Amino acid sequence: KQEVTQIPAALSVPEGENLVLNCSFTDSAIYNLQWFRQDPGKGLTSLLLIQSSQREQTSGRLNASLDKSSGRSTLYIAASQPGDSATYLCAVKNSTLTFGKGTMLLVSP
Amino acid sequence: EAQVTQNPRYLITVTGKKLTVTCSQNMNHEYMSWYRQDPGLGLRQIYYSMNVEVTDKGDVPEGYKVSRKEKRNFPLILESPSPNQTSLYFCASARGAFYGYTFGSGTRLTVV
Repeated sequence: KQEVTQIPAALSVPEGENLVLNCSFTDSAIYNLQWFRQDPGKGLTSLLLIQSSQREQTSGRLNASLDKSSGRSTLYIAASQPGDSATYLCAVKNSTLTFGKGTMLLVSP
Repeated sequence: EAQVTQNPRYLITVTGKKLTVTCSQNMNHEYMSWYRQDPGLGLRQIYYSMNVEVTDKGDVPEGYKVSRKEKRNFPLILESPSPNQTSLYFCASARGAFYGYTFGSGTRLTVV
């Protein structure tokens, strides 16, 4: 059974810092990996989708990498802003979509 | 606008009173899923469907039913809700196995 772990569980940084969120998964036979953002009590917003054959994807200040063989992905956020404060979820897709428990990010002004 | 629509957004009900949470997508997606989200437990899959009339159990299917009679709709049915089904529920859809998922806005269910 696929297991997804996200480290750290929570992160607090001052505005302007670059930061890295980590995701690891146990079964490398995946179709893709998706990063989501969730604001408190709200739905999930898709940030980036990386196919199993890809190494990275970029969108604005966000860059996600995938190392399928080692079962790892990272989400890099450049020049963080208070508006980036949210919970970031990693999800891997094989037969189903399995989520990590998320990293709660707080960016202070 | 391409979206997944869940209704209702909020629901308070009593133990044992049957209820249905509706989910509809307008993107002609093949795959649809239901998740529940609980503090400390994260998002767990309840049921999923890869096509019309094809449904499978996820990690926590007990106490839930689903049906997929048409591609756009995937309702979640609680025949006899219990307080341990109090949770935030999400419906999601994807074009297929290699595509990303789009999530609905969620349904906050409280069973008293």
